[in-house]
Amino acid sequence: KAGVTQTPRYLIKTRGQQVTLSCSPISGHRSVSWYQQTPGQGLQFLFEYFSETQRNKGNFPGRFSGRQFSNSRSEMNVSTLELGDSALYLCASSATGTSDNEQYFGPGTRLTVT
Amino acid sequence: KQEVTQIPAALSVPEGENLVLNCSFTDSAIYNLQWFRQDPGKGLTSLLLIQSSQREQTSGRLNASLDKSSGRSTLYIAASQPGDSATYLCAVVSGNTGKLIFGQGTTLQVKP
Repeated sequence: KAGVTQTPRYLIKTRGQQVTLSCSPISGHRSVSWYQQTPGQGLQFLFEYFSETQRNKGNFPGRFSGRQFSNSRSEMNVSTLELGDSALYLCASSATGTSDNEQYFGPGTRLTVT
Repeated sequence: KQEVTQIPAALSVPEGENLVLNCSFTDSAIYNLQWFRQDPGKGLTSLLLIQSSQREQTSGRLNASLDKSSGRSTLYIAASQPGDSATYLCAVVSGNTGKLIFGQGTTLQVKP
């Protein structure tokens, strides 16, 4: 079974631009969560999608948004990029996204904002 | 608000040593706890998942324990190897969702 895949793996953008990141979960998994990892703040939860609906949201500004498609693939969008958005963005998939599910992470997308 | 703390932040040991990594959480009402490994610049690899009703889980040279009442978990690594060098993260789930709350991690270096 293929693991979680994320594209692109690396991205360089300029302040003020917008970016879209993609995540394909493990086949059969319906829950996708997104996390931001920075040296200062560590891993922080962005949001979770299940069956095309946002089920949970972290404390991030509205510039961060996401969606999930009927095949469970998910995209994350960041508008009006700021230098502080430079981070490793990780997505995780699980079967149902409930507490008894193990979460599997992708390799991440490294976003650099200049 | 759930907070997860990992001590120590960094650890260096000679090859062959047995070692323990610590994780503590402030709210004992967790659903599960998961230990991950992260290599530099890479994603997270799941090591062990302990449900709230369980006391421990084992996988190969790894053993994780959970004491909900005291808000603690430990990851025991037996006979450490240089390939075990990585950052180890613990994360808890507080609600019946997939939201993970992470500690800051322990960076382990195993010297040959």
